Amino acid sequence: EAGVTQFPSHSVIEKGQTVTLRCDPISGHDNLYWYRRVMGKEIKFLLHFVKESKQDESGMPNNRFLAERTGGTYSTLKVQPAELEDSGVYFCASSRPGLGRNEQFFGPGTRLTVL
Amino acid sequence: GENVEQHPSTLSVQEGDSAVIKCTYSDSASNYFPWYKQELGKRPQLIIDIRSNVGEKKDQRIAVTLNKTAKHFSLHITETQPEDSAVYFCASGGSYIPTFGRGTSLIVHP
Repeated sequence: EAGVTQFPSHSVIEKGQTVTLRCDPISGHDNLYWYRRVMGKEIKFLLHFVKESKQDESGMPNNRFLAERTGGTYSTLKVQPAELEDSGVYFCASSRPGLGRNEQFFGPGTRLTVL
Repeated sequence: GENVEQHPSTLSVQEGDSAVIKCTYSDSASNYFPWYKQELGKRPQLIIDIRSNVGEKKDQRIAVTLNKTAKHFSLHITETQPEDSAVYFCASGGSYIPTFGRGTSLIVHP
C-alpha cells in the first residue's frame, strides 16, 4: 500500500509570492487533514476534508490560505500571498472513517521557507 | 477546545536507561490517545495508542499509561537505544480531530 505523498518536499519563496502544496492520501481514505508545524511547537491542525467536503477549517490562519480537494482524491493547499510567518513544515495526513479514533497516516511534509 | 500539554520538550538519556514523556489534556470527553514518533527527516508515525477503556498498554519496550481521572497519559520507553532518538508527539482525540502536543525531542547517547 502506497503511503501519503506530498509535493514538493521543500519550497523557498519570497514574501508576497504564491505557493501551492499538494497531498495525495492513501487510496480509500476519505479523511484528509492538513497540519503545520513551526519549529519547536505543536503539530497544529489547519483543516479536515471528508471526501471533497471541508468538514472543519477552524485552524486555517486567515484567508490567504485556500485548500481544495476536488473529486475527493488529492488535495492542494495554496498560500497567496505568502508571509514570513507562514514558514514551517506542512503535513498532510489521511485516515479511514471514524473521526479522531483511527490512526492518521502522515505524509513526509513540505518544508516551506518564506524569505 | 482541547488543550494538550507535553513535557519535557527535550530529554537526554544514556543508552539502556528508561525515558518517560508526559502529557495532560483538558477535554474529559477525549477517549483516544495516540503517540507518534518522528525521526529526523521522516514523517510522524504511530507507535502506540491507548483508548480510554484501558489504563495501560505495552508493546515490547514501549508502554503507555492513562489516568482519566487526572487527565494525563505517559509514554514509557525502557532499555533505550540510539535508534529511539526522535521527536515524540502525544495527541488526544475521540469524536473530533486529535490535538497534538508540542513534541519531545528524545536523544539517546550511546
